[in-house]
Amino acid sequence: ILNVEQSPQSLHVQEGDSTNFTCSFPSSNFYALHWYRWETAKSPEALFVMTLNGDEKKKGRISATLNTKEGYSYLYIKGSQPEDSATYLCALPEGNDYKLSFGAGTTVTVRA
Amino acid sequence: KAGVTQTPRYLIKTRGQQVTLSCSPISGHRSVSWYQQTPGQGLQFLFEYFSETQRNKGNFPGRFSGRQFSNSRSEMNVSTLELGDSALYLCASSLLSSSYEQYFGPGTRLTVT
Repeated sequence: ILNVEQSPQSLHVQEGDSTNFTCSFPSSNFYALHWYRWETAKSPEALFVMTLNGDEKKKGRISATLNTKEGYSYLYIKGSQPEDSATYLCALPEGNDYKLSFGAGTTVTVRA
Repeated sequence: KAGVTQTPRYLIKTRGQQVTLSCSPISGHRSVSWYQQTPGQGLQFLFEYFSETQRNKGNFPGRFSGRQFSNSRSEMNVSTLELGDSALYLCASSLLSSSYEQYFGPGTRLTVT
């Protein structure tokens, strides 16, 4: 079983502030890392799929970095808005096992 | 293009009954995965299908089963329902495997009484 840890479990951010949180994973046998955003009453939505050490991806005000050698990824939200309130999940496939293991998520609440 | 659809969206069953949930993937996607989410738990992997073959199964009892049809539509079945099976069941499709981004359906909320 792949151990995927996310921290913090939750955080509250003032509108306009920037924030970041972490996904940690075993650095051996790395294959890919996914970030998903899950808003209340909606389906999880893919943000990024990252495969290379040093990868940086960006979508609007959200960006992510990846360090496969030390086993972590950061997700950044710049200038948080209320619509950024969601649970952010990271997930990794267990090698070639066609099985995606999810972390417990970081729940972000943006206060207006 | 049309997204992933799941039916039914809500379901109430009693203990001991069985249930079948359906998932239609995005056109062209051949991999379908199923996940369970219960309160306080993250998404737990149930199984993954590709071209009608189950390629991996999560740590769930044999009461949980699934299949995939030639048009990539998938069903999952839970027999002899228990109260603990109450959960949100999500299916996700992707082009080829879990290394590709997953497109999630809206989920089926199952309540077992």
